[in-house]
Amino acid sequence: EAGVAQSPRYKIIEKRQSVAFWCNPISGHATLYWYQQILGQGPKLLIQFQNNGVVDDSQLPKDRFSAERLKGVDSTLKIQPAKLEDSAVYLCASSPSGSGRPNNEQFFGPGTRLTVL
Amino acid sequence: QKEVEQNSGPLSVPEGAIASLNCTYSDRGSQSFFWYRQYSGKSPELIMFIYSNGDKEDGRFTAQLNKASQYVSLLIRDSQPSDSATYLCAVTNDYKLSFGAGTTVTVRA
Repeated sequence: EAGVAQSPRYKIIEKRQSVAFWCNPISGHATLYWYQQILGQGPKLLIQFQNNGVVDDSQLPKDRFSAERLKGVDSTLKIQPAKLEDSAVYLCASSPSGSGRPNNEQFFGPGTRLTVL
Repeated sequence: QKEVEQNSGPLSVPEGAIASLNCTYSDRGSQSFFWYRQYSGKSPELIMFIYSNGDKEDGRFTAQLNKASQYVSLLIRDSQPSDSATYLCAVTNDYKLSFGAGTTVTVRA
């Protein structure tokens, strides 16, 4: 079974530029998550999709971040314009369980390391 | 107060010893509890989950949960150099998974 795919693996941009990340979850997984992990911290949930609907985006900085999951499969996360504090690893994860399931094991992709100069 | 707090590291243990990792959480309604291992530069991988009070063993790993004390722990027995990693505690209430900052473990050969 193929894992969660993400691209690009690394990205370096200057502040105020825009950037987009792509994620393809494990086949059949209904739930998709985007996390931001700053060095030395645990992952922080940015947005969660159930199929192509948003379940939780309460921690997504909506003035600069956007995400979509068209057709309920792959997803893109965009930052526009980027700030220095956006430097982090952006992790995508997927889960076979839906909202409300107690054992929603999440499978993580390799992540995209973003550096904002 | 942070939702999930872990004992500060780094934790250094000799090979063959027991590594003990602790985690407390603030939301009494939390339902499931996870331990993820994250090697440097890699993504987290699930090693244990527990949702009932008591102990759960899987190989050299034992997770312990005490909901009354809002406390969950992970024991790594017979620690190996390959166990050197950051261990993330994660807690879920309904659908949202909240992570602690992690405890870095180094196993000395």
